[in-house]
Amino acid sequence: EVQVVESGGGLVQPGGSLRLSCAASGFTFSSYAMNWVRQAPGKGLEWVSGISGSGDTTYYADSVKGRFTISRDNSKNTLYLQMNSLRAEDTAVYYCAKDHTFGGVIVGDYYYMDVWGKGTTVTVSS
Amino acid sequence: QSVLTQPPSASGTPGQRVTISCSGSSSNIGTKYVYWYQQLPGTAPKILIYRNNQRPSGVSDRFSGSKSGTSASLAISGLRSEDEADYYCAAWDDSLSAYVFGAGTKVTVL
Repeated sequence: EVQVVESGGGLVQPGGSLRLSCAASGFTFSSYAMNWVRQAPGKGLEWVSGISGSGDTTYYADSVKGRFTISRDNSKNTLYLQMNSLRAEDTAVYYCAKDHTFGGVIVGDYYYMDVWGKGTTVTVSS
Repeated sequence: QSVLTQPPSASGTPGQRVTISCSGSSSNIGTKYVYWYQQLPGTAPKILIYRNNQRPSGVSDRFSGSKSGTSASLAISGLRSEDEADYYCAAWDDSLSAYVFGAGTKVTVL
């Protein structure tokens, strides 16, 4: 079964750091781009970041650029999101999501998420 | 404020047809495929329509998508109670080099 499972969420103070992980199984991890998408309480979806299958290409939403870093370890089938300088507005459920297109290259026009995890909750509060 | 504009809500009675609009610009919908996601209460999103009007296997043919210029639409025909959910349009934006979602439309079955 193709699945992704997030972990690492929790309560952190403003200005603090947290690293999220996403364990993938059931597919050739290195052959697919991966994403983080978040959803603040009662709000809509916000794409946070994407990374190519090889890890050499990354994209970020303006709201997290310079504070968050996406990375992957293809030997461990795991995706990461390092979050620094956290703010209250980063409070959300963070979803890990797999790109549909085989090959691992991020091609904007064909980019969409076909497998989602259940999410991990990040709360930024003092 | 979302780059893609959707109405916050839509509703209909069982059996009716409901349409949700999504308005963008030349840097996203105008030149890129549009995607639609469904998020049932308390669950993760699920892809509903890809490349403007294609349905993944397992998605009911009651759901259909279309695109014209810088706008797109999702139609739900034969509305059912299980269609109550939030629906999001999405596309890649060349100006932002980012994937963008609309703010979402909550569909209520009356």
